[in-house]
Amino acid sequence: DAKTTQPNSMESNEEEPVHLPCNHSTISGTDYIHWYRQLPSQGPEYVIHGLTSNVNNRMASLAIAEDRKSSTLILHRATLRDAAVYYCILVILNSGYALNFGKGTSLLVTP
Amino acid sequence: KAGVTQTPRYLIKTRGQQVTLSCSPISGHRSVSWYQQTPGQGLQFLFEYFSETQRNKGNFPGRFSGRQFSNSRSEMNVSTLELGDSALYLCASSSENRATNEKLFFGSGTQLSVL
Repeated sequence: DAKTTQPNSMESNEEEPVHLPCNHSTISGTDYIHWYRQLPSQGPEYVIHGLTSNVNNRMASLAIAEDRKSSTLILHRATLRDAAVYYCILVILNSGYALNFGKGTSLLVTP
Repeated sequence: KAGVTQTPRYLIKTRGQQVTLSCSPISGHRSVSWYQQTPGQGLQFLFEYFSETQRNKGNFPGRFSGRQFSNSRSEMNVSTLELGDSALYLCASSSENRATNEKLFFGSGTQLSVL
């Protein structure tokens, strides 16, 4: 199974940009890269996804390496409400929604 | 539009008992998947249902089972509870069949404690 590797934790100052890395060296050509985050006492929420090109939405940006073996979630200005566990997931074509979340990166944002 | 609703929010059971958890997906969503979250193992996939059929199953023992009704509501059942089954059980729904760019919407989960 294609797998992702993320740092266990990261720390950022409020209003600074945050770059959350993810390695997925065994990614297949048709696997989508999804990011979810989980705030304390809540279920995960979708952040962003992409296939090959960089993507932007109101929450974040996703930068995908040219060889697709790694990606970076970018929060442009971290706020205290962005403190959460961030999961980088490969959505494997034809596997339905059997998502492998892994342990994620716990992001701490300090004022 | 109402989100994914899971009931109950908290549950306490003893070893050997069985438990049934309920999940109501977002209206119009036909896929419901279940996940177990523990501090040690993180978020692990249990199973997924689409149109009342189990489409995918994770690596859990047969004590864990589920079903989906015609209105897309889903239940999961755990029989012969063990201490290690203590976890947050999360349900997620999505709207399309095997669309890899489709988002999952999660409920807040049911926190199960087995004593």
